[in-house]
Parts: sequence; structure tokens; C-alpha cells
Amino acid sequence: DAKTTQPNSMESNEEEPVHLPCNHSTISGTDYIHWYRQLPSQGPEYVIHGLTSNVNNRMASLAIAEDRKSSTLILHRATLRDAAVYYCILFTSGTYKYIFGTGTRLKVLA
Amino acid sequence: DTGVSQDPRHKITKRGQNVTFRCDPISEHNRLYWYRQTLGQGPEFLTYFQNEAQLEKSRLLSDRFSAERPKGSFSTLEIQRTEQGDSAMYLCASSPPPGLQDLRDTQYFGPGTRLTVL
Repeated sequence: DAKTTQPNSMESNEEEPVHLPCNHSTISGTDYIHWYRQLPSQGPEYVIHGLTSNVNNRMASLAIAEDRKSSTLILHRATLRDAAVYYCILFTSGTYKYIFGTGTRLKVLA
Repeated sequence: DTGVSQDPRHKITKRGQNVTFRCDPISEHNRLYWYRQTLGQGPEFLTYFQNEAQLEKSRLLSDRFSAERPKGSFSTLEIQRTEQGDSAMYLCASSPPPGLQDLRDTQYFGPGTRLTVL
């Protein structure tokens, strides 16, 4: 199964941009890159996903390296409500399960 | 759209007892998943249903675990003869059928059921 590597934790100041990195050197051509976040005592919440091109939505942006071996989730202006564990997941279309790592715990400082 | 719901949210039981959890997916979602999450770890896949058919089961799902989705709508996860190692958060997720929307592979998670086995 494809694996991802993320830093265990990161800190950011409120109102500043946050760049959360993810390495996935074993990614295959059909793997999508999904990002979820999990707030305390809640289930994971979808953030964004992409295949090859950079993606933007109301929550975040996803920057995918040209060789697809890494990606970066960008929160443009961190708020206290963005404090969560962020998971980067490779999803192979046609399979059924997400394989979560331990994610990056983001702490946002007021 | 009320999202994925799970019941109960918390369950405390004694070792050896049986417990059953319920998951109600988003109404038009035909795919349903169960995951287990222990403290400090990411969720681990347990099993997957497409409509009423259980298509994949993880090795984590021992003989004491059984999941059903009898009419392709809600699902139940039963744990028999609970052990202290079963203490975890049990998460349910659902996703829409392929082609319904661009987010067809996106899974929508419920709030989870936290199980504590004493």
C-alpha cells in the first residue's frame, strides 16, 4: 500500500499562512492525493484532493509537485479553528479504503 | 443533508460483554466504511460495504467482530466478548456512487462511537 510521510507537528500564528508538507515517493499514476483533517473529538473531515494539477477550494489549496512525489496543503490564513490533525492520504481509484498515517498536528497560536 | 450519524456516541462496557454500534450514512450514498481509531493514531480500515454487500474485510476484523448492512442503508457493527484492547473510537464513513459527483471517492465521516472496555 502506498505510504505518506508527514511531520508529526507544526505551529503557526493566527492569521498567517500555513504550509503542511507531505511526501509520497511511492505514488503511482492512478493515485489521488486526499487531505483530511480531524478536530478534537470529531471524525475526519474532507479538505481537498487532487491528481496532478494544483487545486483550490474554499478551505485550502493543494500544491502538487511536478513529479507527484510530494504535495503541500496550504491554509491561507490560519485561524484557531484550524487547529487539528491533518492527514495526507493516497487513494487508488478502484480500491475502497483510506490508509491513514499519524498525520500532522497543527497548533495555531493566538 | 444531515451528514453521517452514529449511535451511541459513547459506550462503556465490561470485558466479555457484547456491544453493537449503528451508523446511518448520508441518504444517497451507497458505499459505507467502518474504521477504528486508537489514541494518537490515524483511523484504520475495518470493512467496506457497497449497498448491502460486504466487499472487503480487514485482518483487524477478528471473528468477534461482525458488520451488517441488511437493506443497503444503515449499518451495524457488533463486537462480541469485548476485550480491553477493543477500546477505541469506531468511525463510520459513507461515499456516493461513482459518477454522482466529482467527489465520488471522498468519504464523509460520522462523529464516531467511543468504546471503553473496563
